[in-house]
Amino acid sequence: EAEVAQSPRYKITEKSQAVAFWCDPISGHATLYWYRQILGQGPELLVQFQDESVVDDSQLPKDRFSAERLKGVDSTLKIQPAELGDSAMYLCASSLAIEVAEAFFGQGTRLTVV
Amino acid sequence: GQQLNQSPQSMFIQEGEDVSMNCTSSSIFNTWLWYKQEPGEGPVLLIALYKAGELTSNGRLTAQFGITRKDSFLNISASIPSDVGIYFCAGQLGDSWGKLQFGAGTQVVVTP
Repeated sequence: EAEVAQSPRYKITEKSQAVAFWCDPISGHATLYWYRQILGQGPELLVQFQDESVVDDSQLPKDRFSAERLKGVDSTLKIQPAELGDSAMYLCASSLAIEVAEAFFGQGTRLTVV
Repeated sequence: GQQLNQSPQSMFIQEGEDVSMNCTSSSIFNTWLWYKQEPGEGPVLLIALYKAGELTSNGRLTAQFGITRKDSFLNISASIPSDVGIYFCAGQLGDSWGKLQFGAGTQVVVTP
């Protein structure tokens, strides 16, 4: 069954260190999303890609976060430097096309900043 | 921030009971989705709704797209222990292709 792959599943890092998350969307899905989910809340969109282009990164804290999808397939989300408030679940999702709302999520990366 | 108001926040029910939850907003949405999330996992898509008034079922789950386009409802009939989890509504605004806004979730606990 096709699924969104994310790694690592868990990451513990010290504040001020750099951390990176990887996502491989469902094959053939043109649109890729990174969401952040704080405990007890729903996911919030950080960045949206259509193929290799950023469609929306208005909610991405660009002073410390960066995201790329160089070949329009897999994607990397980076945080540098990490802060205590960045502790959260980072979820990647993909959809067939930008006009298709049905998004399928990966298992997420649980980040703890100490 | 989140614009969707999801209620109730949590529900404790006995196995076999029906469950109802809803999501409301002051904004008009063109798509409503319902997801289920279990601890430590990503959300899993349950139902997608695209038209006002639409009623869609997936097994024991039934969801409706409100007539006003500002709300949606999810019902679970004859609950079983594996229904435990957090249920999220998500809506797509008319001018925001692919960008979903999520509610805060309804935690469902089923006791035997």
